[in-house]
Amino acid sequence: DAGITQSPRHKVTETGTPVTLRCHQTENHRYMYWYRQDPGHGLRLIHYSYGVKDTDKGEVSDGYSVSRSKTEDFLLTLESATSSQTSVYFCAISESGGSRDTQYFGPGTRLTVL
Amino acid sequence: KNEVEQSPQNLTAQEGEFITINCSYSVGISALHWLQQHPGGGIVSLFMLSSGKKKHGRLIATINIQEKHSSLHITASHPRDSAVYICAVKSTGTASKLTFGTGTRLQVTL
Repeated sequence: DAGITQSPRHKVTETGTPVTLRCHQTENHRYMYWYRQDPGHGLRLIHYSYGVKDTDKGEVSDGYSVSRSKTEDFLLTLESATSSQTSVYFCAISESGGSRDTQYFGPGTRLTVL
Repeated sequence: KNEVEQSPQNLTAQEGEFITINCSYSVGISALHWLQQHPGGGIVSLFMLSSGKKKHGRLIATINIQEKHSSLHITASHPRDSAVYICAVKSTGTASKLTFGTGTRLQVTL
């Protein structure tokens, strides 16, 4: 298994509070991704990073920000959580981001916003 | 219409049956992935295809680029195959981004 951990694994918070999710990898892969998974939708890309301090938006980036100050860590921040951000969040990594690159997924974080 | 469509959405089979899950896509792609999501939530990559056919154990994946269609087959199904199977495509010109189908939930009973 690829060395990817996510923390916390479960979180319950209230509307309007800031939340930060952490993804940590030990594989030294260049690309890191944050997805959300909701019933009736496939995994949807929130943000991704292609190197330290290099990030770009995905298809559902509104309300989220990210930071990557080290190769191994990719943080996802909800500045002011809303109930629509209740979801399961997955981090993934890939070596090069090339067309035939495989993504390896973390165990997921279940976030509930009340 | 989603760029990636899977069918069926849900599938129940008896142990030993041959199973087929379908994936159709509407964009030009450089690669197609099949992933498995276990009941506990973990997601693992099964296959990456850009043409032809791949086999791993009891799993076979095929792709027809002209028809924009891929199939995942499971031979001699077993209850441990119960999971959600997800198709994802990497569109040409979208380096590193995958577009995912909504998944096919498979339950294999004794």
